[in-house]
Amino acid sequence: DTGVSQDPRHKITKRGQNVTFRCDPISEHNRLYWYRQTLGQGPEFLTYFQNEAQLEKSRLLSDRFSAERPKGSFSTLEIQRTEQGDSAMYLCASSSSTSWGTGELFFGEGSRLTVL
Amino acid sequence: QKEVEQNSGPLSVPEGAIASLNCTYSDRGSQSFFWYRQYSGKSPELIMFIYSNGDKEDGRFTAQLNKASQYVSLLIRDSQPSDSATYLCAVIPVNRDDKIIFGKGTRLHILP
Repeated sequence: DTGVSQDPRHKITKRGQNVTFRCDPISEHNRLYWYRQTLGQGPEFLTYFQNEAQLEKSRLLSDRFSAERPKGSFSTLEIQRTEQGDSAMYLCASSSSTSWGTGELFFGEGSRLTVL
Repeated sequence: QKEVEQNSGPLSVPEGAIASLNCTYSDRGSQSFFWYRQYSGKSPELIMFIYSNGDKEDGRFTAQLNKASQYVSLLIRDSQPSDSATYLCAVIPVNRDDKIIFGKGTRLHILP
């Protein structure tokens, strides 16, 4: 069990550029979550998947954000036309059906985005 | 109104004392409640979950739930410097199918 891995760990980009983050969940986990966290705040829900189906996308998320999980394994989060307000840590987490209800999410180490 | 509210702190507690962390939630129908711990520069990790009114104990940690008051708390007994972290309260709102919503967290400092 290698845990949840995220790539890249750090990304610096200029405003207006597109960025993509990848998340590889724990292999047997069928739920995958994306959160965004800024300094001094808790993780803010962005979206989540069960297998390849996207169950919900936060109303706070603009159309510049899109996430996919095409084969129910890894997931990508793309941000188009980045803005300085997008600077944050993007956290991916996964869970298995056996832990539903326990609230146990296994988080990756995050992808830190800095938009200049 | 935010779905989960916590005092951001910092809360400073002497080593060996009891640390008390509090959280309120807005969705009266919420059924599942969690406490996560996040060390500085690290990702959150689950330390407790509670579903029923009352207390749930796990080692030095006790989670308390009062659904009538929409209030969740975490007590840490015999606080240690290693308990210094941000504690995140989280809930699954009613009918939200395992979507977990976090509060902004309370920073806890244990003073040696």
